[in-house]
Amino acid sequence: NAGVTQTPKFQVLKTGQSMTLQCAQDMNHNSMYWYRQDPGMGLRLIYYSASEGTTDKGEVPNGYNVSRLNKREFSLRLESAAPSQTSVYFCASSVDRGAGELFFGEGSRLTVL
Amino acid sequence: DQQVKQNSPSLSVQEGRISILNCDYTNSMFDYFLWYKKYPAEGPTFLISISSIKDKNEDGRFTVFLNKSAKHLSLHIVPSQPGDSAVYFCAASARAGGTSYGKLTFGQGTILTVHP
Repeated sequence: NAGVTQTPKFQVLKTGQSMTLQCAQDMNHNSMYWYRQDPGMGLRLIYYSASEGTTDKGEVPNGYNVSRLNKREFSLRLESAAPSQTSVYFCASSVDRGAGELFFGEGSRLTVL
Repeated sequence: DQQVKQNSPSLSVQEGRISILNCDYTNSMFDYFLWYKKYPAEGPTFLISISSIKDKNEDGRFTVFLNKSAKHLSLHIVPSQPGDSAVYFCAASARAGGTSYGKLTFGQGTILTVHP
């Protein structure tokens, strides 16, 4: 039972470098989300995709772009990484946008030097 | 503007006793509330939820209470076990509509430690 799979699990970047975090779910869910977790801040929504073909900004979208490649896959791109983007990133999915319960991946720890 | 707040960063209890984790919210459009549990190096996992039409929901050792007038919810774990040691996040969503529709807003988390 894979559920939500994120890659890579760890990444170290230099300021200004770019990278893409990949996420795939095998639960046939319509909605997918990217959150970041920082100490003392909980999880904050970066971007979400209510359904295939749509994406919307969350609470902290600056510095990020997303692509809903198909129903299964939702990627997060950092075009020019900054130290403030050092964080743990979680991808999640839900049956539908209004379903309530989210299923999370294991997280991707990103360090920007 | 922190719409969901967990004011206790940590809680320490003895095995077998009750653990009570608290959460406050400010957005009156929130109508669905969830608790997630997170172990180190893992993603959050769903624990229990409650709709705003209820004031209590129970699942085994876990009970969530909702006080809508106070905009407050709590999670009770009875009896607490060492395996319950984790970070607990409360989250809220507006399933009926509004700007928070379909998006979970999380609190900062409370680290629960249950001592044997």
